[in-house]
Amino acid sequence: GNSVTQMEGPVTLSEEAFLTINCTYTATGYPSLFWYVQYPGEGLQLLLKATKADDKGSNKGFEATYRKETTSFHLEKGSVQVSDSAVYFCALGSNQAGTALIFGKGTTLSVSS
Amino acid sequence: EPEVTQTPSHQVTQMGQEVILRCVPISNHLYFYWYRQILGQKVEFLVSFYNNEISEKSEIFDDQFSVERPDGSNFTLKIRSTKLEDSAMYFCASSVQALNTGELFFGEGSRLTVL
Repeated sequence: GNSVTQMEGPVTLSEEAFLTINCTYTATGYPSLFWYVQYPGEGLQLLLKATKADDKGSNKGFEATYRKETTSFHLEKGSVQVSDSAVYFCALGSNQAGTALIFGKGTTLSVSS
Repeated sequence: EPEVTQTPSHQVTQMGQEVILRCVPISNHLYFYWYRQILGQKVEFLVSFYNNEISEKSEIFDDQFSVERPDGSNFTLKIRSTKLEDSAMYFCASSVQALNTGELFFGEGSRLTVL
């Protein structure tokens, strides 16, 4: 079945450091891929998405490229800020109507000044 | 900005008791979901709901669980007889369209602690 594997956290970085959070997936067909973020005390919110191979999703300085050949959707940011401290979830969505998102375990990012 | 709201934010209950978690989805959304996250584990899908019926459910969503949309605004998750292993954060979500390329909007979660 479909699944998502994220790198284990926590990830601790200094402000302005480069961030990579790895995500790989297993799926049949051509899923959509998502990164959701959960800030402290809040619900999950969509950060970015990509719906087909080679698409790049981007938002708030974060980027992720849908790589079918490596079944990956790694999240990157060139220069993190303290306000980026949150839990990041990689997720996969089948393109069948009404089917659920499958989430990874989440990776906690902590950025210090 | 419209948002999904959940109540209660935290509930503590005794094993064997019934619990109802409530959600108010965004008003023009058509699809509704419950997910849960046991501490330190994955966010797991429980059930999706469309047009007043369950459209998909996971193996976790057994006979102890039920959902309903009693009044056209609230979307509730009932656990009939809670077990210790039901302790988790429960997230409600809604979307305008069936999830394929669309976005889910999540509430802040309801933390359930079963003693």
